[in-house]
Amino acid sequence: ETGVTQSPTHLIKTRGQQVTLRCSSQSGHNTVSWYQQALGQGPQFIFQYYREEENGRGNFPPRFSGLQFPNYSSELNVNALELDDSALYLCAVHAYNEQFFGPGTRLTVL
Amino acid sequence: AQTVTQSQPEMSVQEAETVTLSCTYDTSENNYYLFWYKQPPSRQMILVIRQEAYKQQNATENRFSVNFQKAAKSFSLKISDSQLGDTAMYFCAFMTPNTGNQFYFGTGTSLTVIP
Repeated sequence: ETGVTQSPTHLIKTRGQQVTLRCSSQSGHNTVSWYQQALGQGPQFIFQYYREEENGRGNFPPRFSGLQFPNYSSELNVNALELDDSALYLCAVHAYNEQFFGPGTRLTVL
Repeated sequence: AQTVTQSQPEMSVQEAETVTLSCTYDTSENNYYLFWYKQPPSRQMILVIRQEAYKQQNATENRFSVNFQKAAKSFSLKISDSQLGDTAMYFCAFMTPNTGNQFYFGTGTSLTVIP
């Protein structure tokens, strides 16, 4: 049981603002990935962190950045929010060649 | 490039019947894994079933089974004895260790089980 949690559940921001989303797991797995899931679409890979270092990145601009902490919890930061950033943001921890997802954070940009 | 295609945006099935969801993928890798995830309205992505590419035997998990055709790069999901709780979005996904264990997802199939 990985017990992946994300906070907050929902978030409303305005264009140009900055946001920080958080992810943690009970088991402290050392690899975490972040995904953006637009409405009606599949998750799109943003980036992955392994032992506090970025370990792969999808087709997202630099204003999407992340951190992973020694306890393997993780943050996704998005600067200069745009309307198209409105989406469900999912984090997933890696274990046993699988991914275990958190419940997601619904971000709305107005 | 790795791609995953789900050509059925929506499907429906009568309760207790069987339904098959389609998925095709494209990769030049030999070592990879395939997955089906379920995402109910609660949003939590739940792993339904996984298949290692090196295994010829199709994976089975209770009412869920796959038809893995490696040469055709096809990975369909069969749900037997459909239940109302199976109503959800289903995503096919692909992962290869050679690209840092990055997962690639299809666009999903919305399945509705009709009472």
